[in-house]
Amino acid sequence: SQQGEEDPQALSIQEGENATMNCSYKTSINNLQWYRQNSGRGLVHLILIRSNEREKHSGRLRVTLDTSKKSSSLLITASRAADTASYFCATDAGQAGTALIFGKGTTLSVSS
Amino acid sequence: SAVISQKPSRDICQRGTSLTIQCQVDSQVTMMFWYRQQPGQSLTLIATANQGSEATYESGFVIDKFPISRPNLTFSTLTVSNMSPEDSSIYLCSVAGEDLKNIQYFGAGTRLSVL
Repeated sequence: SQQGEEDPQALSIQEGENATMNCSYKTSINNLQWYRQNSGRGLVHLILIRSNEREKHSGRLRVTLDTSKKSSSLLITASRAADTASYFCATDAGQAGTALIFGKGTTLSVSS
Repeated sequence: SAVISQKPSRDICQRGTSLTIQCQVDSQVTMMFWYRQQPGQSLTLIATANQGSEATYESGFVIDKFPISRPNLTFSTLTVSNMSPEDSSIYLCSVAGEDLKNIQYFGAGTRLSVL
């Protein structure tokens, strides 16, 4: 069964705007990872945040983690048309290096 | 990081036939996994490919339908057997391990269409 639920399911914005996607999960975790998928291709790893971290940055990406609420958010700042993709959060259900449990994903569309 | 080569990238197959998907990693990895992504859906784990022993399958997936091999620490195959249109999906392999800092890397996927 799906561990996570992304919110919103779909998001449409203009270039230059910020995009925020949220993810909730059900069990305790060791790590939470965010991935991007372009047009049904393979998954590109974006960022990993450990359960003892609250925030992490990578370029235009900012990820937060609230383990008390079992939720995470991905913020993409100053979005570009090339950011158009599906974004998934995934958790390891408490043990690092094990298979991931994926959320349903958010489809982001950035128009120029 | 890990570089994963997955073949074929896509295929169109006839009902009742089988397709074997290959996954090659550029370094030895501890864990290898196979996922399925049905159209418009998220990823679902099929099985964990164990080196030198039988794969560990998730509920709803069986060895007769999805036989998996993992002869060494850099290679694995997934076969989709006796295919039906319901098997039309993207199949992805991934790798993980402490040497990869627990980041799970994915291949480009195999887009399978069954007629």
